[in-house]
Amino acid sequence: KQEVTQIPAALSVPEGENLVLNCSFTDSAIYNLQWFRQDPGKGLTSLLLIQSSQREQTSGRLNASLDKSSGRSTLYIAASQPGDSATYLCAVVVGSEKLVFGKGTKLTVNP
Amino acid sequence: GAVVSQHPSRVICKSGTSVKIECRSLDFQATTMFWYRQFPKQSLMLMATSNEGSKATYEQGVEKDKFLINHASLTLSTLTVTSAHPEDSSFYICSARPVGEQFFGPGTRLTVL
Repeated sequence: KQEVTQIPAALSVPEGENLVLNCSFTDSAIYNLQWFRQDPGKGLTSLLLIQSSQREQTSGRLNASLDKSSGRSTLYIAASQPGDSATYLCAVVVGSEKLVFGKGTKLTVNP
Repeated sequence: GAVVSQHPSRVICKSGTSVKIECRSLDFQATTMFWYRQFPKQSLMLMATSNEGSKATYEQGVEKDKFLINHASLTLSTLTVTSAHPEDSSFYICSARPVGEQFFGPGTRLTVL
């Protein structure tokens, strides 16, 4: 059974700091991995999708890496801003397009 | 990116009533949609896969007679929580995947009194 773990559960940083969020999964047989952002009481916003054959994806200040063999992914956020404050969710896609989520990392960026 | 909408965004109902939640893909057709449930400080958990024109596929432990899913068209799936109880109070989110990544609706907060 695929399990996804995100560390840390919560993170508080000052504005401008670079930071890394971690995601690990137990079964390396994944189709792809997706990072999402969730604001309180809201739905999910897709940030980055990494196909299983890829090593990383970049979008603006965000960079996500994937090491499928070790079952790890990281989300790097450069020059963090207060508007980046949210919960970041990692999810892996297994058979039948099914997404398995981690519990998320709650990020607070302090002005 | 693709847009998925949900209605209503928030619903409060009495125990024993039924509640219908709609999920629509606004700018693409979706033969498959997914329904998730999220309890406070917990992961999103897949409840069921909604298939246009056929029966939904439910995850283990999800009661199909309690959570009725209808995928009547290529842009609409509905989830009906029948005879809702307080333990059904949760955040329900749907998603669809036009190509590649999945896109999520804004979610529906259900509170059963």
